[in-house]
Amino acid sequence: EIVLTQSPGTLSLSPGERATLSCRASQSVASNYLAWYQQKPGQAPRLLIYDSSTRAIGIPDRVSGSGSGTDFTLTITRLEPEDFSVYYCQQYGSLPITFGQGTRLE
Amino acid sequence: EVQLVESGGGLVQPGRSLRLSCAASGFRFDDYGMHWFRQVPGKGLDWVAGLNWNSDKIGYADSAKGRFTISRDNDKNSLHLEMTRLRVEDTALYYCARGRWGTTVANHFDKWGQGALVTVSS
Repeated sequence: EIVLTQSPGTLSLSPGERATLSCRASQSVASNYLAWYQQKPGQAPRLLIYDSSTRAIGIPDRVSGSGSGTDFTLTITRLEPEDFSVYYCQQYGSLPITFGQGTRLE
Repeated sequence: EVQLVESGGGLVQPGRSLRLSCAASGFRFDDYGMHWFRQVPGKGLDWVAGLNWNSDKIGYADSAKGRFTISRDNDKNSLHLEMTRLRVEDTALYYCARGRWGTTVANHFDKWGQGALVTVSS
């Protein structure tokens, strides 16, 4: 099983700033099959990024993903109020599908 | 509009069974893999089970193996999760989600339902 570790646990920033979230895998993620999700309180997760760096439909270009192998990054520039929520990474290179524990952006 | 609506949640005693359903609409159901996830309120996301478009590939988390059964009915655009021998630690909000790929179990998920709460307690 691939264990995903996200850091930091909590990121405290202000609107207009840049957020950098990390996701590290315990072993290489096949084909860089890594996704990022945003989850707001009381809502289901929302797909932001898949295949490490491809934005999902409707996601603005100030949200970007990068990385390969075991190290992946989600970057959100020019933070807006609606960006402050919890973010999860998920790998789908192998079963079982696993998630990181989440980063809270506050 | 794509919609996934879970049903069947509720309060159940330990050791008993429960069947969750997910009604899908707004897309061609048999083009996509479908999965179940769960989340304890305030905690992270856990994958439970998933299957490909025609159910010939199925996967389960270790926590679900031998107790839970995932199935789909492409004629009725529905996904199900039969949960048996329920434990207190199965208490969570259960989500169904659509995988972007139809042919594999491993997948990423672009549409999610709002969840069904399952509480296992005596």
